[in-house]
Amino acid sequence: AQSVTQPDIHITVSEGASLELRCNYSYGATPYLFWYVQSPGQGLQLLLKYFSGDTLVQGIKGFEAEFKRSQSSFNLRKPSVHWSDAAEYFCAVGTLTGNQFYFGTGTSLTVIP
Amino acid sequence: GAVVSQHPSRVICKSGTSVKIECRSLDFQATTMFWYRQFPKKSLMLMATSNEGSKATYEQGVEKDKFLINHASLTLSTLTVTSAHPEDSSFYICSARNSQGSNYGYTFGSGTRLTVV
Repeated sequence: AQSVTQPDIHITVSEGASLELRCNYSYGATPYLFWYVQSPGQGLQLLLKYFSGDTLVQGIKGFEAEFKRSQSSFNLRKPSVHWSDAAEYFCAVGTLTGNQFYFGTGTSLTVIP
Repeated sequence: GAVVSQHPSRVICKSGTSVKIECRSLDFQATTMFWYRQFPKKSLMLMATSNEGSKATYEQGVEKDKFLINHASLTLSTLTVTSAHPEDSSFYICSARNSQGSNYGYTFGSGTRLTVV
């Protein structure tokens, strides 16, 4: 069965520190992987996506993610976190031809001064 | 880039009335749109997949007579919450699948906060 797991429900980091949010997936076909960010009361904004090619993907706001097929992971990273990065982060997996799109349960990020 | 407009952003209605939420893809055609419901501090729960010109596909446990979905054109899908009750209060988000080249992906609307009083 297809699934997306975000093991960390909540993470707190200091401003300026590095960040890594974990995402593991279980998918039978070639996955198309996404990271979204959601600010309180807002919709979802796409940070980055991976379809094929270079396994290290650059996104907006200084985020990047690395696809590791052997580990079924697509972890999100940022070298230096800003206070404005505090939000909810969702990993998701979808297909090109199918109408299936699965979200992880989300990781809430708190940034402390 | 691909933009999805969702309207209204907030709505308060009386119990027993119906509310319609619109989801529009502004600069691309979306044969497939999705409707999600999000509970406080929870992930997004897929309610239904809306296909242009055909009936929506509902997820298990979602009442299709209560949550009416219409996808009459390639740029518009609507979700109508019929005979709304306080337990229907939630954050509803739509997304549209863009299957065109490098813009492939799922673009989300900004969400609708529904409060039923």
